Amino acid sequence: AQSVTQLDSQVPVFEEAPVELRCNYSSSVSVYLFWYVQYPNQGLQLLLKYLSGSTLVKGINGFEAEFNKSQTSFHLRKPSVHISDTAEYFCAVSPLRQGAQKLVFGQGTRLTINP
Amino acid sequence: NAGVTQTPKFRVLKTGQSMTLLCAQDMNHEYMYWYRQDPGMGLRLIHYSVGEGTTAKGEVPDGYNVSRLKKQNFLLGLESAAPSQTSVYFCASTAWAEVGDTQYFGPGTRLTVL
Repeated sequence: AQSVTQLDSQVPVFEEAPVELRCNYSSSVSVYLFWYVQYPNQGLQLLLKYLSGSTLVKGINGFEAEFNKSQTSFHLRKPSVHISDTAEYFCAVSPLRQGAQKLVFGQGTRLTINP
Repeated sequence: NAGVTQTPKFRVLKTGQSMTLLCAQDMNHEYMYWYRQDPGMGLRLIHYSVGEGTTAKGEVPDGYNVSRLKKQNFLLGLESAAPSQTSVYFCASTAWAEVGDTQYFGPGTRLTVL
């Protein structure tokens, strides 16, 4: 079984400041890792994902994440945030195996950008 | 190309009433999923389907039934609604379920059970 822990439920930052949203996971098998974003009153959309290869993954809207296998972490970062980044961010994992992709989500981190 | 759509957007039920949520996708995706989202708990998988005519249980299936009679549609039913089923329900789909395929989500249905 897999579990995902997002270490911060809320993160307030000022506009143009850097931000890091933390995600740790637990799994007995290898997993793929994802970050999804949910803007107010919308569904989720993919920010980025790690499947294999380089541990630094770049996504949309200037976000990037780094996979650290030894620490079982997949933290999300952005060097300079904008008001439009206000949203809830979800980390998720999916085991590497055939069949349906059953995502396991973290609890979510609400990112609030203050002017 | 509408992507994934959900009907209705909002609904209020009384305890014991039944209802069906409809999810439709126009991307010819094989796999479809139903999740519920509760505050502080992220999204949890209710049921999923790996193709037309198939369904399977997810993490929290109790109190829900599903059907996939057509490839493009995935229905979620509540036979006897309970207050614990007050939640936001999201449908998602993927083309294939391999190699970390991206899930495409609908806009959600906000259900309140009184």
